Amino acid sequence: GAVVSQHPSRVICKSGTSVKIECRSLDFQATTMFWYRQFPKKSLMLMATSNEGSKATYEQGVEKDKFLINHASLTLSTLTVTSAHPEDSSFYICSAGRGSPEQYFGPGTRLTVT
Amino acid sequence: SQQGEEDPQALSIQEGENATMNCSYKTSINNLQWYRQNSGRGLVHLILIRSNEREKHSGRLRVTLDTSKKSSSLLITASRAADTASYFCATEGFGNEKLTFGTGTRLTIIP
Repeated sequence: GAVVSQHPSRVICKSGTSVKIECRSLDFQATTMFWYRQFPKKSLMLMATSNEGSKATYEQGVEKDKFLINHASLTLSTLTVTSAHPEDSSFYICSAGRGSPEQYFGPGTRLTVT
Repeated sequence: SQQGEEDPQALSIQEGENATMNCSYKTSINNLQWYRQNSGRGLVHLILIRSNEREKHSGRLRVTLDTSKKSSSLLITASRAADTASYFCATEGFGNEKLTFGTGTRLTIIP
């Protein structure tokens, strides 16, 4: 159990457009979902924490109007990168928690903005 | 900012040898976790050690925690080619579920 999916796995978009990434917990209800960003050969940087039905909590330096997070249900959270620019190109990973200390990670989404 | 620093940044060993990775952190923690990441993929939880524990085993994995030195080590014994991956430590503080990840160690097992 504890499977998390992400869609899409890869996306290429043009500068100025918006991109939505979905994160789903497939076989459990996630009390909390987390969004991370990872640069090549680097560690994960937490962007925001989201709880179902409430506003996401963003980490310092992360623009909430740029990275819109919606946590509509206990199994789905979405990250929308608005007005994407080439510097937003990165690997975005979500994870889900279910009250235990471990987090269950999605496979990641590689975003390339041209 | 990253709390955890890991060393070495990269490690290459022969198959069958043991691999040791170290992690240091700066603030008090509730627990420390180790994750593995294959290239271009998500992370897989390996093992968790709580702040009141000093050592934990899981299969070929052995984790130690020294809270006085704010450090942890991950030992993989009898390494296999399939162990090739990046390994990250992550610390959880008190009062929330947020994880702070270390910089990671890229492990390469040479067949």
